[in-house]
Amino acid sequence: DIQMTQSPSSLSASVGDRVTITCRASQSIGRFLNWYQQKPGKAPNLLIYAASSLQSGVPSRFSGSGSGTDFTLTISNLQPEDFATYYCQQSYSIVYTFGQGTKLEIK
Amino acid sequence: QVQLVQSGAEVKKPGASVKVSCKASGYTFTSYDINWVRQVPGQGLEWMGWMNPNSGNTGNAQKFQGRVTMTRNTSISTVYMELSSLRFEDMAVYYCARGDCNSGTCVLDFWGQGTLVTVSS
Repeated sequence: DIQMTQSPSSLSASVGDRVTITCRASQSIGRFLNWYQQKPGKAPNLLIYAASSLQSGVPSRFSGSGSGTDFTLTISNLQPEDFATYYCQQSYSIVYTFGQGTKLEIK
Repeated sequence: QVQLVQSGAEVKKPGASVKVSCKASGYTFTSYDINWVRQVPGQGLEWMGWMNPNSGNTGNAQKFQGRVTMTRNTSISTVYMELSSLRFEDMAVYYCARGDCNSGTCVLDFWGQGTLVTVSS
């Protein structure tokens, strides 16, 4: 299976900050990389698909980049509602895998 | 609007089986896969497998091979996931999610509310 490794595992930031989360695949996955946001007690929510395409309804302060094995999720001008856990997920293989998650906390 | 509604919480003993349902509405049921993802409390997301409601074809992560069975009833737009030989470590929230592979990539774009499965002796 393709292993997905996120860094950091947790991150503290303030409202208005810009943060970047990294996701690395154990093999090249092209641009078959999605990002999800999950808040406590809720199901995940799709943010970014195909590495850099913004899902409908997602604020433009979220952006994604990368290809091959290295990907990033950037959140600009952090808002209070952005404090959550973020997961990357590869869909290159028919066996999907998620990163371990990055918890974004308020500083 | 697209909705996936899952069955309610379950409490099972070790060695038993659990069957979770996922009822879809708001779209053509047979046009999209249904995936299953679980989350042990306090931990990350773990993809379990998928089902194509049109063909009935399924696939799953090697970890669950032989223990997970996915079925569907197209007349009521519902997919079922049964996990057998339950262990304490199977205690988790189980989510169904619609898989959309219609734009050159595959995403999990709509999710059920989750079903908590407790394994307790």
